[in-house]
Amino acid sequence: QVQLQESGPGLVKPSQTLSLTCSVSGGSISSGGHYWSWIRHQPGRGLEWIGYTFYSGSPNYSPSLRGRTTISPDPSKNQFSLSLTSVTAADTAVYYCARRGVILRDAFDIWGQGIMVVVSS
Amino acid sequence: QSALTQPASVSGSPGQSITISCSGPSYYFGNYDLVSWYQQHPGKAPQLIIYEVNKRPSWVAYRFSGSKSGYTASLTISGLQAEDEADYYCCSYAGSSTYVFGSGTRVTLL
Repeated sequence: QVQLQESGPGLVKPSQTLSLTCSVSGGSISSGGHYWSWIRHQPGRGLEWIGYTFYSGSPNYSPSLRGRTTISPDPSKNQFSLSLTSVTAADTAVYYCARRGVILRDAFDIWGQGIMVVVSS
Repeated sequence: QSALTQPASVSGSPGQSITISCSGPSYYFGNYDLVSWYQQHPGKAPQLIIYEVNKRPSWVAYRFSGSKSGYTASLTISGLQAEDEADYYCCSYAGSSTYVFGSGTRVTLL
């Protein structure tokens, strides 16, 4: 059974770069044709799709975060990562990694437990 | 990209049916039947409960159903149970390999 686990610092200073990693177990990010996503949940707001990548690259990003976001795969470690630059307090959120399904088309069928990231000096 | 619009809250008595709406621009719902719904309990990760408008994953109870009419998608919970108290989010493919989520609806039992 595929499982996802986020890791990274829980506190980031304003203007710095937020960096998170999602470790995948129980399956390979290189198989199945899945896309690997980042989604966040800001306090008091709805979910926000950040972007995704295929195991070989070809990322795509939310228009509102494009320019600050990089999502990269690392098939050798069975991981993928999120980098968000120039963060502000508005980037404080729970960050989830998730798998976009293939059979369950265009739906996020497996999620990590989430990691809370606070942007504060 | 605008978020999809959902009512902030919906409530119902145990055993009743409730429906949560999700509305968006015509270029989302008019072009694609790629709407999914997620249930999120406090402190937990969201869980997929409906995909492709009205398809239910094997792990989801029959009382959850989805539909779409025009530019509004809907999630219906029939026979409301205590464990259905949660937040619910819709999501749609938004074109150009992007996705957009709804603002979320809190379901409470009376």
